[in-house]
Amino acid sequence: NAGVMQNPRHLVRRRGQEARLRCSPMKGHSHVYWYRQLPEEGLKFMVYLQKENIIDESGMPKERFSAEFPKEGPSILRIQQVVRGDSAAYFCASSPQLNRAEAFFGQGTRLTVV
Amino acid sequence: RKEVEQDPGPFNVPEGATVAFNCTYSNSASQSFFWYRQDCRKEPKLLMSVYSSGNEDGRFTAQLNRASQYISLLIRDSKLSDSATYLCVVNGATSSASKIIFGSGTRLSIRP
Repeated sequence: NAGVMQNPRHLVRRRGQEARLRCSPMKGHSHVYWYRQLPEEGLKFMVYLQKENIIDESGMPKERFSAEFPKEGPSILRIQQVVRGDSAAYFCASSPQLNRAEAFFGQGTRLTVV
Repeated sequence: RKEVEQDPGPFNVPEGATVAFNCTYSNSASQSFFWYRQDCRKEPKLLMSVYSSGNEDGRFTAQLNRASQYISLLIRDSKLSDSATYLCVVNGATSSASKIIFGSGTRLSIRP
């Protein structure tokens, strides 16, 4: 049973380009969470999705950021027109539908905006 | 008030010492609780779940106080390898759409 898979592991983008981060949850998991971690800071919640639904996006910046979790395929976190301040580690976690369950993390995508 | 609050530390203790962290949460309807460990530049990994009756796993003891809405982690006989950031995690309150909230973490450094 493969763990949570994120790709790419490292992503370099120039200012103004788009960044697309992918997350494949563990088999059988229908809940996906995205977190951002700036250097020397804690994890900050961004968005919580179930298949085809955004449940809570209270942590997402109002502009340039979007997320989806389609019926088929991985969850995607998209950042348009990246700026230097978007440079961070982006972690995805998944959990099964059961309540009370812990989350399992992918290894993260480290985005660097140059 | 943050949903989950932790003392950021750093805690710098000698090898063999006992160290304890606390974490408070704001939503009294929260249903499940965990401690995660994050090593530098790595993903967080589950350390242990926290049960109302308290639970122990080797040198680690976790406790939950629902009345006061706090969670604790105790590490006995600390090892150099325990150096990491410890994250308090609360799984949310509604039956159908639980949101997992992480504290900002407490940094622990064990010195020889």
